[in-house]
Amino acid sequence: NAGVTQTPKFRILKIGQSMTLQCTQDMNHNYMYWYRQDPGMGLKLIYYSVGAGITDKGEVPNGYNVSRSTTEDFPLRLELAAPSQTSVYFCASSYISQQETQYFGPGTRLLVL
Amino acid sequence: KNQVEQSPQSLIILEGKNCTLQCNYTVSPFSNLRWYKQDTGRGPVSLTIMTFSENTKSNRRYTATLDADTKQSSLHITASQLSDSASYICVVSEETGKLIFGQGTTLQVKP
Repeated sequence: NAGVTQTPKFRILKIGQSMTLQCTQDMNHNYMYWYRQDPGMGLKLIYYSVGAGITDKGEVPNGYNVSRSTTEDFPLRLELAAPSQTSVYFCASSYISQQETQYFGPGTRLLVL
Repeated sequence: KNQVEQSPQSLIILEGKNCTLQCNYTVSPFSNLRWYKQDTGRGPVSLTIMTFSENTKSNRRYTATLDADTKQSSLHITASQLSDSASYICVVSEETGKLIFGQGTTLQVKP
């Protein structure tokens, strides 16, 4: 199993551009999450999904959108990139609840200039 | 507001030495407390998980303790190795399922 994979590893965006961060898991997990990690700060939940077709906002959803059309994929969309979205983004998954062990991807480093 | 505070922010030790990382939380009621290890450039990996009724949990050279009365947890690393260099993140789960992440302690083990 590859676990949780994310692409791209690193990206530079100009202000106002849009992009999609890809996340795929091959563990047949129901729950998937997107977090952002800023220097010196704890991970913040952006969006999560409890299954295909169901998504919900986390702590910091503004400026982002998600979709969950399949169990495996959970892409994160940035529509109008802003410097405040410069961060490292982690996708994670767990089997049947948030409180179980979450398995994280390697992260996507995003720089918005 | 539920919070998780970790100390120290960073720590440097010599290979072979022991160290202890601290985690204080205000989350109440809480469901469980977990320690994650995050290597540079990688995602976090779970080390231990404890419910409120557990006092200690070990995983190889890592031992986590929990005092639910004082709302404190510690992660003790024994006989440190260079591969222990990483950030260690304390995560407390509310009963609702929401996770509160600490800001992490960065450990550097030097030869």
